[in-house]
Order: sequence, then C-alpha cells, then structure tokens
Amino acid sequence: GAGVSQSPSNKVTEKGKDVELRCDPISGHTALYWYRQSLGQGLEFLIYFQGNSAPDKSGLPSDRFSAERTGGSVSTLTIQRTQQEDSAVYLCASSSLRGNEQFFGPGTRLTVL
Amino acid sequence: SQKIEQNSEALNIQEGKTATLTCNYTNYSPAYLQWYRQDPGRGPVFLLLIRENEKEKRKERLKVTFDTTLKQSLFHITASQPADSATYLCALGKRSSNTGKLIFGQGTTLQVKP
Repeated sequence: GAGVSQSPSNKVTEKGKDVELRCDPISGHTALYWYRQSLGQGLEFLIYFQGNSAPDKSGLPSDRFSAERTGGSVSTLTIQRTQQEDSAVYLCASSSLRGNEQFFGPGTRLTVL
Repeated sequence: SQKIEQNSEALNIQEGKTATLTCNYTNYSPAYLQWYRQDPGRGPVFLLLIRENEKEKRKERLKVTFDTTLKQSLFHITASQPADSATYLCALGKRSSNTGKLIFGQGTTLQVKP
C-alpha cells in the first residue's frame, strides 16, 4: 500500500512477556519515528531514525524498550518484560525529510494484563 | 521543563461558525509548528506546517498563526462542518541537526453540531 502500515493492530500480552511491534514506512521515506499514546493523552516521542545516522533514542522510557531499523526501511520496536504501564497505542510515522510532515500508521494497541 | 498546552476542554460549536483552537508553549524555541487531526482509533493526519519566520499560513478553510513572542499558535477552521469534528493536535519541532522528533500537545476535541 501507499501508506505506513503497522502490525499487529492489537496485541494482548501478560505482564513480564516480551513483545515486538512492526512498522513498514512509506517507500523512500528516510525518516522514521515511534510514538506512544496513552488513553486521552497526546503523543509521546520514543525514538527517531534518519537514514544511516545514529538514532535519537532520547524518548525511550527505560532500557526495556529498544528499536531497530533494518535496511533503512522496516522498523521493529521491542518491549522486554512488559509492565501494565506499557499499555498504550504505539504509533509509527515516516517522513521524506526531517522536519517535513509526518505520515502516521494506524497504530498498535498494546494491552498488558 | 518543556510544556505544550492546548484547550483541555472540548470545544462545541455550531455548523458554519469559525472554530479557534489554541496552542501555548513554554521553555521551548521551536523552529516550526505543525497541526494534525486525529479521529478515534486512527493515527494523526497532517494538516498544516508553519515555520518560526512565518506569521500566518492558510489552506482552504484552515488558517494557522504563529506568534513566537507570545509563544502561541492559533488554529482556525472557518465555515465549520460536522465532518470537522475530531481531535486536533499541535506539535513543535526543534531546530536541530540530529533529530526530527515532534513534541505534541494533548489535543483539543472539536465537536461541530449541525
């Protein structure tokens, strides 16, 4: 498709389990972002990838969170030893250049029981 | 710490009127500001971008202003329609060589009644 896709759309897991969330950005977009949105809240920045540059990881809330972007395209956000406070919608976005409009995917709703 | 404030209460207006949404920020010097629309269960959709050296931007029924002295942006929707009902997010971007991250406000929910 032409837009940003994310999978799975919903994920329910038990506390303490690891989860992987996937993002397929728009083809040709060099910048990729992960945000999370808790119920009724704004978006919270997690991590930013730009081409082959070192990612900006300043928003990752703890060392249980990590992300990688392989081949400058698909990205995976991994949360280890999930906690209930990790429950949120995780949104991925891409843009053609830093500072340009960001195109968002539909998000992955993560529920940690 | 950096803070972005949007009208926390929902804005209810009558169809045909102009909706005005406010975004205020503190402890931040953005290079640009963006507005997004978000519908329930969906990701945000980009609407407008305005840079620090611009006072006003228009796109169809939308207008955004940016006052770096007041540290405020106003977002206007003229001739509002029920289809404009959604949550509107403002987001600030920094002048930086190594990050394109946006800092988002919590959003304002707009309800346009027919």
